[in-house]
Amino acid sequence: KQEVTQIPAALSVPEGENLVLNCSFTDSAIYNLQWFRQDPGKGLTSLLLIQSSQREQTSGRLNASLDKSSGRSTLYIAASQPGDSATYLCAVRPSGGSYIPTFGRGTSLIVHP
Amino acid sequence: NAGVMQNPRHLVRRRGQEARLRCSPMKGHSHVYWYRQLPEEGLKFMVYLQKENIIDESGMPKERFSAEFPKEGPSILRIQQVVRGDSAAYFCASSSQGTDTQYFGPGTRLTVL
Repeated sequence: KQEVTQIPAALSVPEGENLVLNCSFTDSAIYNLQWFRQDPGKGLTSLLLIQSSQREQTSGRLNASLDKSSGRSTLYIAASQPGDSATYLCAVRPSGGSYIPTFGRGTSLIVHP
Repeated sequence: NAGVMQNPRHLVRRRGQEARLRCSPMKGHSHVYWYRQLPEEGLKFMVYLQKENIIDESGMPKERFSAEFPKEGPSILRIQQVVRGDSAAYFCASSSQGTDTQYFGPGTRLTVL
C-alpha cells in the first residue's frame, strides 16, 4: 500500500526566502506525481505534474523534482511571496492499472510580509 | 470553459438526515472521482465513476454511502443517515480519460450537527 509523507507539516517564513517542501513515497511503481495548492476553504489547484520518466518540471518560481528510486520529490519555491501562503499537497498515482492517487497530508505554508 | 462545479458549497445536516452532494464535471470529461478530506487529514479516495458505471468504489464505506453518474446530469454522492463523523470536505474531480490529469472542484463542506 502506497504511503505518502510530507515534511514539514507546517512552515512559516519571511517574504523573499527560497523554500523546499518535501514529499516521500514508499512504492516507486508510480505513473506520475503531482503537486497541488489548496487555499483555505477552497479546492485544489494543480501546480506541477511530473511523469514517472521525468526528473523535474518548472513553472515560474516553482520547480518540482522527482527521484523515483529514492521515493522522493521536492517542490522548490523561489523568492517566496505572501500570496504563496497555502497548503501544498503531493499526490502519487500508481502504475499498473489503478489510476487512483494517494495524497500526502500537506505542508501548510505561511509567508510573512 | 467552466471548471468542475460542485454544489452546494456548504451543507448542514442533523444526525440521521440525508446529504446529497452534486458534481458537474468539466465539459467533455466523462470520468468523475470523489474524495473526502477529514480535518487534519489528507484527501482520501472514495469512488471513481464513468457515465452510468461505477469503476472503483474501494474507498467508499459499505453502508450509508452511494454514488452515481447518470447518462444525463451531474454525479451525485449520497450519504444516508448522516453521523457527526461524516463532517468533512468532499471533493469531486474529473478527467477526460482515466489516465489523464484530474481537475478538482471547490468542494462541498458538510457539517453534521
